[in-house]
Amino acid sequence: EAGVTQSPTHLIKTRGQQVTLRCSPISGHTSVYWYQQALGLGLQFLLWYDEGEERNRGNFPPRFSGRQFPNYSSELNVNALELEDSALYLCASSLRGQGDEKLFFGSGTQLSVL
Amino acid sequence: AQSVTQLDSHVSVSEGTPVLLRCNYSSSYSPSLFWYVQHPNKGLQLLLKYTSAATLVKGINGFEAEFKKSETSFHLTKPSAHMSDAAEYFCVVSANTGGFKTIFGAGTRLFVKA
Repeated sequence: EAGVTQSPTHLIKTRGQQVTLRCSPISGHTSVYWYQQALGLGLQFLLWYDEGEERNRGNFPPRFSGRQFPNYSSELNVNALELEDSALYLCASSLRGQGDEKLFFGSGTQLSVL
Repeated sequence: AQSVTQLDSHVSVSEGTPVLLRCNYSSSYSPSLFWYVQHPNKGLQLLLKYTSAATLVKGINGFEAEFKKSETSFHLTKPSAHMSDAAEYFCVVSANTGGFKTIFGAGTRLFVKA
């Protein structure tokens, strides 16, 4: 069974550009979560999608947005990139989105903003 | 309100000696507690999970954690460290606060010396 897959694995962008990150959850999982892991800052919750709808959002500006498609895959979009957006972006999925479930993580997308 | 504090940012042990990674939590609700491990350049993997059943939880790779409500702690232990245990460990609290909210600790980097 395939795990959570993320693409691309690495990205280099410049300030002001826009970026789209992609995530495919484990087959049968309806919930997708996005986290930002910046150096020395641990995991910061970005977004939670379940059944195609945004269920919760972390303390990030509106230029961070996303969506979930009917096949439960998800995109994270970041507009007007800033240097501090450089981080590992992790996607996770869970079966039912109940919050107390095990999260399955992808290997992440490493974003570098120059 | 919920919070989770990992008391040590770094822990260094010798191979074959015990491991103790400390985690304190705060929650106004009955929380679920987790430990995840992240090896370099990888996503996170669940080690173990507590959900109000037995207070001593056994996980993968010989790790276990004890839930102590009176001390609001959920420390992770292993009797004998192996070189392959070197990684970053995250303590996580999740509770239904009118919608599940999951908070990650800042992480503890475990170093294992030969």
